[in-house]
Amino acid sequence: AQKITQTQPGMFVQEKEAVTLDCTYDTSDPSYGLFWYKQPSSGEMIFLIYQGSYDQQNATEGRYSLNFQKARKSANLVISASQLGDSAMYFCAMREVYNFNKFYFGSGTKLNVKP
Amino acid sequence: NAGVTQTPKFQVLKTGQSMTLQCAQDMNHEYMSWYRQDPGMGLRLIHYSVGAGITDQGEVPNGYNVSRSTTEDFPLRLLSAAPSQTSVYFCASRPMGGGEYMNTEAFFGQGTRLTVV
Repeated sequence: AQKITQTQPGMFVQEKEAVTLDCTYDTSDPSYGLFWYKQPSSGEMIFLIYQGSYDQQNATEGRYSLNFQKARKSANLVISASQLGDSAMYFCAMREVYNFNKFYFGSGTKLNVKP
Repeated sequence: NAGVTQTPKFQVLKTGQSMTLQCAQDMNHEYMSWYRQDPGMGLRLIHYSVGAGITDQGEVPNGYNVSRSTTEDFPLRLLSAAPSQTSVYFCASRPMGGGEYMNTEAFFGQGTRLTVV
C-alpha cells in the first residue's frame, strides 16, 4: 500500500490567493513525522514544514501551514498569499520512527502560480 | 558547512557499464539514504543506512549496491546499468532518533541526473 498519497498531480492558483495541497498517509507506527518539501525547477529539495504525530497544534512557518487531521490521516499544506516564486513541485513525506526512521515520499503536486 | 555533497551532477552511461554515485555529508548524521526520482513517481527509497557498517534495502533496491564504511560516505553502485535506471538520484542524511531530533528534516544533496543509453 502507498505510504503517502498526493492526489493532485497539478494545480493552478492565482497570485495572492491561498492554495491547499492534499496529502494522506498510511502508517501503524504511533510515532511519526510529516514533512513538506518544495522542489523548484532547479531541482534541489527545500524543507518547508514539519508536523509531529503527537503535536496538538497545527504547524506554521511563515506563509506555510499544515492542516493536520490525525484521525483522517491527512496532512495538507496550505500556502497563503501565493507568490510567483511558489511555482514548483511539492512533496509530502513521512518518517516512521520505529521503522528505522525511513522517509517515504508522495508522487508530488506541481503548483503553478498565475500572475 | 557543505551539508550533503553528491558527485557527479550529470552522467551518461552505456547499457552494461558500471559506475558509482558518490555521497558525502559533514554533519555527522547516522542516517543516510538514496532515492531515485522519476516523473510522476515522487522519490522512491533505494537503500538506506543507519550507521557505519549497517545498510538495508528500501522500496526499489534491485540493480543497486551500497556500503557504508564511514559515517560520512554512502556511495551507490550500479553494477550493470540499464535504461530503466535513467533517473535523477538524490542522497539524503539526517540524525537518527527522536527527542531533540524528532523534527529534523532530511537534508538532500543537489541530485545526480543519470542517463543510460
